[in-house]
Amino acid sequence: NAGVTQTPKFQVLKTGQSMTLQCAQDMNHNSMYWYRQDPGMGLRLIYYSASEGTTDKGEVPNGYNVSRLNKREFSLRLESAAPSQTSVYFCASSDGSGGVYNEQFFGPGTRLTVL
Amino acid sequence: AQSVTQPDIHITVSEGASLELRCNYSYGATPYLFWYVQSPGQGLQLLLKYFSGDTLVQGIKGFEAEFKRSQSSFNLRKPSVHWSDAAEYFCAVGPRGLSGTASKLTFGTGTRLQVTL
Repeated sequence: NAGVTQTPKFQVLKTGQSMTLQCAQDMNHNSMYWYRQDPGMGLRLIYYSASEGTTDKGEVPNGYNVSRLNKREFSLRLESAAPSQTSVYFCASSDGSGGVYNEQFFGPGTRLTVL
Repeated sequence: AQSVTQPDIHITVSEGASLELRCNYSYGATPYLFWYVQSPGQGLQLLLKYFSGDTLVQGIKGFEAEFKRSQSSFNLRKPSVHWSDAAEYFCAVGPRGLSGTASKLTFGTGTRLQVTL
């Protein structure tokens, strides 16, 4: 079991470039999430997908789009990168089937720098 | 609105000393509470979780946390810290997992633990 995997691990973009961050989970989870982590601000939710076929905005969705490709994969796209999007991005998943605890499992992160 | 406060940004303890990391939350319903640990350059790993029952919960790596409803607190403790515990610790609060819904968590801003030898 790989758990939650993310690609790439590191990326440097120029302002205005686009890119897609990939996330996949092999735990048969229904729900998936994208967060960004900035110093002193903890984790902030960008978008989430409660189940396959649905996506919803989180706390900081501006400048991002997502696609829930199938049950396993949830991608995050930056259409026109800005320096303010320099951050570490984490993907997470949770069971979402009504289990009591429903904790989230995290990937290793993608460190993105926008110049 | 729900929120989590971790009042200590940075804590330094000596190896072998006891540790307590503070977490206060604001949540309208019965909270699910979590502590996660993040080692440098890594993702977040779940240390422990609480929903109901015994207010003292045990987690991995010798950590425990106590839920105090009257104080809206969920403090993390360890009797004797090891150098490998140096990391960033996040407290989080969220809802019960309902079928078909996402369990959106609200995270605190984290406490960075430094361990001196």
